[in-house]
Amino acid sequence: DAKTTQPNSMESNEEEPVHLPCNHSTISGTDYIHWYRQLPSQGPEYVIHGLTSNVNNRMASLAIAEDRKSSTLILHRATLRDAAVYYCILSNFGNEKLTFGTGTRLTIIP
Amino acid sequence: SAVISQKPSRDICQRGTSLTIQCQVDSQVTMMFWYRQQPGQSLTLIATANQGSEATYESGFVIDKFPISRPNLTFSTLTVSNMSPEDSSIYLCSVETGFNEKLFFGSGTQLSVL
Repeated sequence: DAKTTQPNSMESNEEEPVHLPCNHSTISGTDYIHWYRQLPSQGPEYVIHGLTSNVNNRMASLAIAEDRKSSTLILHRATLRDAAVYYCILSNFGNEKLTFGTGTRLTIIP
Repeated sequence: SAVISQKPSRDICQRGTSLTIQCQVDSQVTMMFWYRQQPGQSLTLIATANQGSEATYESGFVIDKFPISRPNLTFSTLTVSNMSPEDSSIYLCSVETGFNEKLFFGSGTQLSVL
């Protein structure tokens, strides 16, 4: 499986946008980019995923670089509830298994 | 979407005993997975629970230690056998509702082995 690299931790102020980076330089043409987050004492929850084009949903936006070797998860207006570990994961089309890396621990400062 | 009920939510067990964790989904799902999350660590996939056939285990996990059942499309169990303190972890059930769709996770079973 192609690997991802994320910063171990980030901090952001409440009500400001947050940009969480992910590098995946060995991504293949059929790899999807998934983002999940894990709130304290909970199982992970889906945030967003994409293949080539930027994606938006009610939770976040996913910006994918033109060469697909990196991506950025954007939380438009962080709240205290967004404090979590964010995982960037690659999955190959047809392979439903997700391999979790170490993720980025996001701290929101009130 | 899928709502997952995982039981028990936590347990404290003696070494050498076994614990069976149940995962119930409110709809029929194609894929069910079991993950382990050791203290302060990320998630590690244990196995894929296949309906009607044996589970598929990841490297480092074996059926004798983590037997899995999947009797139908809404239910699975994971047993942690002959437990030792090293098995103290959170065990999570996960399901995929369709091909290459997002995963849903249960809230996990916090296991402590004394």
